[in-house]
Amino acid sequence: GAGVSQSPSNKVTEKGKDVELRCDPISGHTALYWYRQSLGQGLEFLIYFQGNSAPDKSGLPSDRFSAERTGGSVSTLTIQRTQQEDSAVYLCASSWFGGAADTQYFGPGTRLTVL
Amino acid sequence: KNQVEQSPQSLIILEGKNCTLQCNYTVSPFSNLRWYKQDTGRGPVSLTIMTFSENTKSNGRYTATLDADTKQSSLHITASQLSDSASYICVVSRYGNKLVFGAGTILRVKS
Repeated sequence: GAGVSQSPSNKVTEKGKDVELRCDPISGHTALYWYRQSLGQGLEFLIYFQGNSAPDKSGLPSDRFSAERTGGSVSTLTIQRTQQEDSAVYLCASSWFGGAADTQYFGPGTRLTVL
Repeated sequence: KNQVEQSPQSLIILEGKNCTLQCNYTVSPFSNLRWYKQDTGRGPVSLTIMTFSENTKSNGRYTATLDADTKQSSLHITASQLSDSASYICVVSRYGNKLVFGAGTILRVKS
């Protein structure tokens, strides 16, 4: 079966531009997470979707960041007016139910470079 | 403050040797602790998960230990292989499904 997929794999953009990153979770997984991984840093939680519940946006670093999950499946992370400090690998993960004991399956990530 | 600290930051060992990676945490309330392996350019893959009552968990040549009293965990890799070269990330889950990630230990196995 297919795992979590993300696109694009690499994105280079200019400062001030908007970018959209896409995540396709494993079919049937109700929970979806976005993380950011900066060089030499641990993964930083951004946002969490669980079924039809309101998303947990507590990790979003600023109002330039937003995410949607349409139809309970595909998710898009949007970064508006990108800054150089937004450069990082953005990882998406999904799990069956989103419980603390659930294993999260990660996608390969999107490497974002803001020039 | 909820933190996960890993040591060493990086490690180089010869193929066939054993090694142990350390993880100390201050996360509360504790739900479970996981070790992930992340190959370069790929997402993390779960190796083990341990709850409060579990002291040790094995997955092939990987053995994780947990001391919930001292809030320490270790990942022991036996008879290392070149394919073990990766970043190993310790992740502690708080109740409410908040995950706290360590920065990882970069392991390089050379022949």
